[in-house]
Amino acid sequence: GEDVEQSLFLSVREGDSSVINCTYTDSSSTYLYWYKQEPGAGLQLLTYIFSNMDMKQDQRLTVLLNKKDKHLSLRIADTQTGDSAIYFCAESMDRKGFKTIFGAGTRLFVKA
Amino acid sequence: SAVISQKPSRDICQRGTSLTIQCQVDSQVTMMFWYRQQPGQSLTLIATANQGSEATYESGFVIDKFPISRPNLTFSTLTVSNMSPEDSSIYLCSVRQGPYEQYFGPGTRLTVT
Repeated sequence: GEDVEQSLFLSVREGDSSVINCTYTDSSSTYLYWYKQEPGAGLQLLTYIFSNMDMKQDQRLTVLLNKKDKHLSLRIADTQTGDSAIYFCAESMDRKGFKTIFGAGTRLFVKA
Repeated sequence: SAVISQKPSRDICQRGTSLTIQCQVDSQVTMMFWYRQQPGQSLTLIATANQGSEATYESGFVIDKFPISRPNLTFSTLTVSNMSPEDSSIYLCSVRQGPYEQYFGPGTRLTVT
């Protein structure tokens, strides 16, 4: 089956690290994504990871993939108030024409 | 990355009417998608629109309600027909560049009264 699950809310203090977690059910997922959606805006592709990778780092963002547990996480270092947004985890499967399935989104609150 | 624009950015419509949403991309893309995001919800894929072929609709969405055009590799339209308040949502156009990069437009916020 196809399902992507995320916790709905996360609150952190400015300067701390944020870790947003996601689980997915389809082990044949080829690519996994993190998108950011600010209020009133569309989705911004933050980063992605191939299913044959364990980790990807891009400036303040670190993505960890545990394929055995089907667990994906996004770590934001030195979280800023501008990071407040909804973060969507998504999976894409080439066997389904790269159809992308999205989680419900995690709303990140950053307290000054 | 692809730059995607949508028109209108928002609209308020009366029930029973139809609205056509336009999506313009700054580069040629094969795969375009239309999503719906209901208030406080995640994204639901409505259909995949590839140039030169009929759109492929997901379960729960039909062509009569959401007709799609894809006349070329940079443009598509989605029409929301015979609208009801349940159609109030954000409609997002999306494109895929290469095998893994998928980009989204800013969305069209539709309110049906």
